Amino acid sequence: NAGVTQTPKFQVLKTGQSMTLQCAQDMNHNSMYWYRQDPGMGLRLIYYSASEGTTDKGEVPNGYNVSRLNKREFSLRLESAAPSQTSVYFCASRAATGKESGNTIYFGEGSWLTVV
Amino acid sequence: SQQGEEDPQALSIQEGENATMNCSYKTSINNLQWYRQNSGRGLVHLILIRSNEREKHSGRLRVTLDTSKKSSSLLITASRAADTASYFCATDPLIKLIFGTGTRLQVFP
Repeated sequence: NAGVTQTPKFQVLKTGQSMTLQCAQDMNHNSMYWYRQDPGMGLRLIYYSASEGTTDKGEVPNGYNVSRLNKREFSLRLESAAPSQTSVYFCASRAATGKESGNTIYFGEGSWLTVV
Repeated sequence: SQQGEEDPQALSIQEGENATMNCSYKTSINNLQWYRQNSGRGLVHLILIRSNEREKHSGRLRVTLDTSKKSSSLLITASRAADTASYFCATDPLIKLIFGTGTRLQVFP
């Protein structure tokens, strides 16, 4: 049971470099999310995709772009990394159906990104 | 800004004691969920309570919801050292799930 898989798990970037965080889910979920988690800040929503073909900004989208490549995959790109983007990034997905079971969100294990 | 705010930020108790953490939110919701995060891991869903429910149980977990006060509480009874983790509430006003800042629970053996 893979669930939500995100790569890489750890990455160190220099300021100004670009990179893409990859995320894939094998649960046939409609909605996918990218969050960042910083100490004392909880989880903040960066971008989400309610369904294949759509993406929307969350609370903190500046400096990021996303692509919902297909129903399974949702990538997060940092075009020009900044030290303020040092964080732990979590990808998540949920079925988002009308059933209560469709409300549960499933998380990946996180990607630790350091920008120096 | 965060939709949910947990209180307290940190809680330390002995094994066997009960742990209570609270969550306040700002806007109308469809449901409220509680998640747990072990150190260095992703979040795991614990329990969901719908806006028309007042209380829900799951094993040692008891969740209450007061929509008039826009608040929820999570009670863990007879805590164990393995319950040590951060706990987050999440509200679902529309399609996007918004998380609070979390309560760090430490259970000492």
